[in-house]
Amino acid sequence: EAQVTQNPRYLITVTGKKLTVTCSQNMNHEYMSWYRQDPGLGLRQIYYSMNVEVTDKGDVPEGYKVSRKEKRNFPLILESPSPNQTSLYFCASSSDRGRRHNEQFFGPGTRLTVL
Amino acid sequence: AQSVAQPEDQVNVAEGNPLTVKCTYSVSGNPYLFWYVQYPNRGLQFLLKYITGDNLVKGSYGFEAEFNKSQTSFHLKKPSALVSDSALYFCAVRETGNNDMRFGAGTRLTVKP
Repeated sequence: EAQVTQNPRYLITVTGKKLTVTCSQNMNHEYMSWYRQDPGLGLRQIYYSMNVEVTDKGDVPEGYKVSRKEKRNFPLILESPSPNQTSLYFCASSSDRGRRHNEQFFGPGTRLTVL
Repeated sequence: AQSVAQPEDQVNVAEGNPLTVKCTYSVSGNPYLFWYVQYPNRGLQFLLKYITGDNLVKGSYGFEAEFNKSQTSFHLKKPSALVSDSALYFCAVRETGNNDMRFGAGTRLTVKP
């Protein structure tokens, strides 16, 4: 089954404790992206990746890191989480190949609470 | 810079009535426009998109959207709403030549029996 998986689905942590949210897709997609969803703000893009070893900042990259060492994986790293990073996070992927109009497939979401 | 606005936080319609969820966008070039739907405790699902050509785009579950370049709008429509259409709807834009995507704040659609 074609899908985007995220782990963990739920996470409660404390300020300053480094964490990683994993994202994996099995569709051989070039483009991958991370979003955070907050009430009244919709989805805001954190980082995206056009392909392996190619990443770029989205709208709200501060406090986050990403890496794209393999095509299928795109982990989101919070080196020192703070309470304002409490949010619902989504990973997404799409087949790009130079075209920018393909729809994205979204993971189920990770609900992060930083105390 | 590209941006998208959904002017209504909430839309309420009665089952069987037509529904419209509004979206306007701002880009300096040509847009790719998308609608996604989010059901409770789920990720977003793709509904439809406009790339080029016919201004009326048909998508999943009987939804359609009309691209209006002069009004910079891409409203989502359905002729007859179902209770099961109740969900959170997001409009998104990606300007041709850009790599990033912008989403609107979302509109919560409630269809009452």
